[in-house]
Amino acid sequence: AQSVTQLDSHVSVSEGTPVLLRCNYSSSYSPSLFWYVQHPNKGLQLLLKYTSAATLVKGINGFEAEFKKSETSFHLTKPSAHMSDAAEYFCVVSAAAGNKLTFGGGTRVLVKP
Amino acid sequence: SAVISQKPSRDICQRGTSLTIQCQVDSQVTMMFWYRQQPGQSLTLIATANQGSEATYESGFVIDKFPISRPNLTFSTLTVSNMSPEDSSIYLCSVGDSSIHYGYTFGSGTRLTVV
Repeated sequence: AQSVTQLDSHVSVSEGTPVLLRCNYSSSYSPSLFWYVQHPNKGLQLLLKYTSAATLVKGINGFEAEFKKSETSFHLTKPSAHMSDAAEYFCVVSAAAGNKLTFGGGTRVLVKP
Repeated sequence: SAVISQKPSRDICQRGTSLTIQCQVDSQVTMMFWYRQQPGQSLTLIATANQGSEATYESGFVIDKFPISRPNLTFSTLTVSNMSPEDSSIYLCSVGDSSIHYGYTFGSGTRLTVV
């Protein structure tokens, strides 16, 4: 069994300040973990993925995430928020390659000027 | 990564009718999935579309309501049958590969409104 908990349903930041989106997971196997972003009325875009290589994963648009097995966490960060980062972010877990995905509840990010 | 074409992008349907959503991929893929995203919610897996055999449904989803076809490795359809307003959602197709190196790709979704 696998599950994902995104600890914040909404995050509000000022433009130029850091962004932190928290994610905890549960998996019976060594998981693959993903962060996806969904802009309003747009499709899902893969930000980054962890598949048992380096624990610090760099993604697109300046985002990165660190896999911490001891804490079962995969938090997403960005040093400086941009207005275009306003969107819904989903943390996702998969138990094995090609296996089904389990989505977290999502975190809506608001960026204030 | 694979490119997905999902049709229609949106539709407004009368209750009691059915809608078939198509998912076309530009390359052969091992795994195809169908998800539902209800308004303001996260994504929930409906089923895994298996090539040449019956789809594998998740708890709470049944074949009579959501029949799925997958005739080959590049195409699948999801039908939403006997629709009610509660079926109003975004339906998304997703593909994955056993190598997982490129992650999973999602179609742009079908926004369904049932009136």
